[in-house]
Amino acid sequence: EPEVTQTPSHQVTQMGQEVILRCVPISNHLYFYWYRQILGQKVEFLVSFYNNEISEKSEIFDDQFSVERPDGSNFTLKIRSTKLEDSAMYFCASSLVSYNEQFFGPGTRLTVL
Amino acid sequence: RKEVEQDPGPFNVPEGATVAFNCTYSNSASQSFFWYRQDCRKEPKLLMSVYSSGNEDGRFTAQLNRASQYISLLIRDSKLSDSATYLCVALNTGFQKLVFGTGTRLLVSP
Repeated sequence: EPEVTQTPSHQVTQMGQEVILRCVPISNHLYFYWYRQILGQKVEFLVSFYNNEISEKSEIFDDQFSVERPDGSNFTLKIRSTKLEDSAMYFCASSLVSYNEQFFGPGTRLTVL
Repeated sequence: RKEVEQDPGPFNVPEGATVAFNCTYSNSASQSFFWYRQDCRKEPKLLMSVYSSGNEDGRFTAQLNRASQYISLLIRDSKLSDSATYLCVALNTGFQKLVFGTGTRLLVSP
């Protein structure tokens, strides 16, 4: 069964450093998303991406964040200068069309020290 | 007011019990609804979509009441493996984002 994959599973970084989280969405899906979940809190939407551009982003997704689809398979989330409060699980998701179910990857646990 | 509200639980039930979870949503523009299940420190996994006519998948039945902006999930014959957090999720058409509730924790004991 096709699935979303994410690397790394755990990333530890120092405050102020840049991190890139990587995702490989399901191959025939057209819509890609990033969500995050701070420990003990609910899952929160960050950004959606379609046709090589951002289609929607939340207030959390400020200028420190960017997304890219550098090739036909990868989808990345970059945090330019990490803060302590960026520590969270980051989930990538994809869907075939915008109104369909979204399927989530296993997540990257980001720890900012 | 939270966009999707759920009772956080936990719901403690014995194996074989029937348990029901409820969820309310405040955004009338929400078009599609889902139940996801999340195990501790894992990703949300789709359990089922929710339709106005109600839908069933094995031991799981989901209902949507648009007039009351209310969604339910019924689990029959609970198994130990059903222990997890159940996430009520709304999709706002046009915005493509899923809006999650905080989840309801279920603990099934032998």
